[in-house]
Amino acid sequence: EAGVAQSPRYKIIEKRQSVAFWCNPISGHATLYWYQQILGQGPKLLIQFQNNGVVDDSQLPKDRFSAERLKGVDSTLKIQPAKLEDSAVYLCASSTPPRGGTLNEQFFGPGTRLTVL
Amino acid sequence: GQNIDQPTEMTATEGAIVQINCTYQTSGFNGLFWYQQHAGEAPTFLSYNVLDGLEEKGRFSSFLSRSKGYSYLLLKELQMKDSASYLCAVMDSNYQLIWGAGTKLIIKP
Repeated sequence: EAGVAQSPRYKIIEKRQSVAFWCNPISGHATLYWYQQILGQGPKLLIQFQNNGVVDDSQLPKDRFSAERLKGVDSTLKIQPAKLEDSAVYLCASSTPPRGGTLNEQFFGPGTRLTVL
Repeated sequence: GQNIDQPTEMTATEGAIVQINCTYQTSGFNGLFWYQQHAGEAPTFLSYNVLDGLEEKGRFSSFLSRSKGYSYLLLKELQMKDSASYLCAVMDSNYQLIWGAGTKLIIKP
């Protein structure tokens, strides 16, 4: 079974530039997550999708970050314009819809390491 | 607020046993997860506890006490490849994972 795919793996941009990340979840996983992980910290949830609908985007800086999941499969996360503090690893994860009584494991992609200069 | 606490860094010797503790305060509880994360890689699932007690999986075991808001991950017969960060995460009442900052485990020969 193929895992979660992400691209690019690395990206270096200058502040005020734009960048986009792509994620393809595990086949059949309706729930998709974008996390931001700053060095030395745990992942921080940016946005959660269920199929093509947003479940939670309360921690997404909406003045500069946007995300979409057209057709409920692939997803893109965009930053426009980037700031120095956006330097982090952006992780995409997927799972079956979480519910009580089940494992609710999230499967992670390899991440995109973003450096903003 | 919601909070997960775990030590920042621990050092242990190859072949020994190490216990990584995690305490939590969250809005609701739908299970506690431990993930392993090697430097520059994505987190990978290690264990899951939803009921009190010990779950054993090979060299790794995880314990949960919901009344105390406490869990630990026990790693036995440590190997050099176990050098990694270990992340504790709690699934809250909205089925979202609240993550700790991770414990960096350094294994020395």
